[in-house]
Order: sequence, then C-alpha cells, then structure tokens
Amino acid sequence: DGGITQSPKYLFRKEGQNVTLSCEQNLNHDAMYWYRQDPGQGLRLIYYSQIVNDFQKGDIAEGYSVSREKKESFPLTVTSAQKNPTAFYLCASRNRGREDTQYFGPGTRLTVL
Amino acid sequence: GIQVEQSPPDLILQEGANSTLRCNFSDSVNNLQWFHQNPWGQLINLFYIPSGTKQNGRLSATTVATERYSLLYISSSQTTDSGVYFCAADMGGSNYKLTFGKGTLLTVNP
Repeated sequence: DGGITQSPKYLFRKEGQNVTLSCEQNLNHDAMYWYRQDPGQGLRLIYYSQIVNDFQKGDIAEGYSVSREKKESFPLTVTSAQKNPTAFYLCASRNRGREDTQYFGPGTRLTVL
Repeated sequence: GIQVEQSPPDLILQEGANSTLRCNFSDSVNNLQWFHQNPWGQLINLFYIPSGTKQNGRLSATTVATERYSLLYISSSQTTDSGVYFCAADMGGSNYKLTFGKGTLLTVNP
C-alpha cells in the first residue's frame, strides 16, 4: 500500500529526555512536513523539507530538530529544550504536479511525564 | 504570508441536514485544499481546489479565486461526517508550505 507511516502511535517519555518520531513515505514525494497539534487547536508547522539533505524551519521550530538523509524518511527529534512537548504530531508529504495534494500520516501522540 | 480564516468555528447538525463551511484567504492562491480530521486524529484530503467546483458524493467544494474564498458543502449529513474540517492554502513559489485555517468543528447528532 502507498502511504505515510508514523511510529509509534503513542509515546511516553520522562521530562528531560530527547525522543525521535519516525515518518516514512513510499509515495515518492519530494516534500515532507512535520506539524504539531494541541487539543482543540489547529496545525502548526514545525519543520519542512522540499528535497533530500535540505530542510527549513517552520513557525515553531525551537526545541525540535530534523534530518532528511533519504527521500522516504523525515524523522523528528523532540529535544529536552522543547518546553511543552506533550502534543499530537503529524507528518505529511506532497509533490508538485497537476494535482498538488498533501497527504498525512496517522500521527504520534507524545506524552511527557 | 497568506492568512486563512474559516467559519463558523463550530457547527452542530442533526443527521440529514445540509451545511456550508467557508474559507477566506488573504491573497491569490496557487493551491487550496480541504481536509477532514476524524475523531481519531487522521487527516484525510477531501479536495484539491484552487479554483472551480468539484463534487465527491455528498460533498462538494467551490473556490472563487477572484473573490478569495472557498466553500465546502455537505449534504444529507451523517454522524460519520463529524470531526474538524480544515482549509489550507499556499501562494506557490519557493515557499512550498500550506497555511492552515483554525478549522470548523462539525458535530452531527443522530
């Protein structure tokens, strides 16, 4: 099946620990995105990457880091510098073309205790 | 950057009713999409519609690019239509990222 996978679905971590969220896509899309969603809120862009080995900060990049070593993969690390990391994290991908549609993964719910 | 505003913020319907959700955007758009987020958090793309009209079953959407708004119509609503509907747009060019509205929370009661 073509699509975007995120793992794990639920993640619990202790305060002060770094944690890495996985995002993989087999849609052959060039661009990938990470969003954060808090309860009852909209989506806020953390980082995005338009091509391998390149990425840009979004609106709320502080306390997060990413890498894009492969086209299929765009992992997000939530560092201990992120003051309020408990949230729902969504990964997405998109490709320029006639129908420039963005697709989302199922999300990871991160809880920091 | 582009601003995207959605209305109403909340909407409660009885099953079988029709509804119209609105999305206003502040600038010319290269891309406009509607998404549905179900109660489990999954976001599904409904329409890619930078201009014109599209229909998919009970859902249809119209974007009037010259007047900078888009409408999502839901007819004969069902309880499974409940969730949050997001509109997102970008202006194209080098910043290849969508700006999302705050969403409309739709609740369809049986």
